[in-house]
Order: sequence, then structure tokens, then C-alpha cells
Amino acid sequence: GAGVSQTPSNKVTEKGKYVELRCDPISGHTALYWYRQSLGQGPEFLIYFQGTGAADDSGLPNDRFFAVRPEGSVSTLKIQRTERGDSAVYLCASSLSGSLQNTEAFFGQGTRLTVV
Amino acid sequence: GNSVTQMEGPVTLSEEAFLTINCTYTATGYPSLFWYVQYPGEGLQLLLKATKADDKGSNKGFEATYRKETTSFHLEKGSVQVSDSAVYFCALRKGGGGADGLTFGKGTHLIIQP
Repeated sequence: GAGVSQTPSNKVTEKGKYVELRCDPISGHTALYWYRQSLGQGPEFLIYFQGTGAADDSGLPNDRFFAVRPEGSVSTLKIQRTERGDSAVYLCASSLSGSLQNTEAFFGQGTRLTVV
Repeated sequence: GNSVTQMEGPVTLSEEAFLTINCTYTATGYPSLFWYVQYPGEGLQLLLKATKADDKGSNKGFEATYRKETTSFHLEKGSVQVSDSAVYFCALRKGGGGADGLTFGKGTHLIIQP
């Protein structure tokens, strides 16, 4: 596809369960970002990948959150032992090379996670 | 740490009115500044950006000037249209070392009435 694709678009899970959220970036984009957007708030940075490696994971809120990008394209955000406070829209973005003062980040439409 | 503050919404205007959405920031050094827009049912899109002091970003009739002395990046448009109705986010780039994430404001919901 032409844009950033995120699946599923909606996910409802029970408290304590494990979830995986997938992001397919734009082909050829080496930089990939995950954000979390709670209701009425702006997106909150979680993690930034450059290729296969996490260049900056300072936004991950705790050790229940983990993300991988094993082949430098698709990324998976993994949340263990989900809590109701994890309910939010999880956004993925990609850019051609990182360094956002020079390149543009393109966002997916997000995965709406609801923990019940 | 870095932060972005933008005016609370919703902001409701009539078509052809002048628009200002205020944005101020707190950051170390000289960050790059951005405005993103989210139209109903769509993902976030870059509207404009400025990478250094006194730069003016512009796109689709919108403008914003990077003001270092007031740490501001206010969004303006001379004559809004119904199609400009959306949520607007001001953001800054962390930068430094390996960091490249964006810090966003809370967003301003703009409603343009015909």
C-alpha cells in the first residue's frame, strides 16, 4: 500500500491479557515511530527505530511495553499484562531516513485499544 | 523537559474569518517546530514546519513563524474555509543524540461554520 498500515484497527482485550499491535511502514522508510494518544490529548512518543534497532525508547512507560522491528520494516508493539489505563489509540509513523527536521513523518490511522 | 502548550478548543469561526491558534513551547536548545492536522476520519498529516529561528512555514494558506524570543509558533490563516475544520497539533522535535521523536501539544479542535 501507499501509506502506513496498522492492524488491527480496533482491539478489545481483557485486563491482564497480552496484545500485539502491528505496523507496516511505507516501503523503503528506515525510520519508524510509535506514539500513544489518549482521549483529548496529543500523541505521546513511545519509541523510535532506525532500521532494526531502537534508537530511542525513552517514551516506553514501563517494562510491560516492548517493540520490535526484526527485519527493519514491519514493527510490532507488544503490551503485557494490559491495564485499563493502557486504553488509547496507538499510532505508528514512518519517515524516509529519520531526522524529522529534514524528512516528513507519515502517520497511520492507528489502532484503538480498549482494555476492559 | 520539552513541552508544547496550545490554546484550548474547540475554536468556532465563520467561513472567511481570520484564524490564529496559539502555540508556545519549552525546550532545551533550538528545536524544530511543526504543525500537524487531523481531518475527520483521517490520520495525522504534516501541515507545515520551521527548523530555525525566524523561519516561516507555510502550506495551504496557513503560516507560522518560529519566534525564539517568545518561544512561540502560532498558526495563522487569513480566510478559513469549512474544509479547514479539523484538529490541529503543534509539535517540536526532541533532537539530540539518537532522539528523533516529536512532543505534541494537546490539540485544538477547529470548527468552521458556513
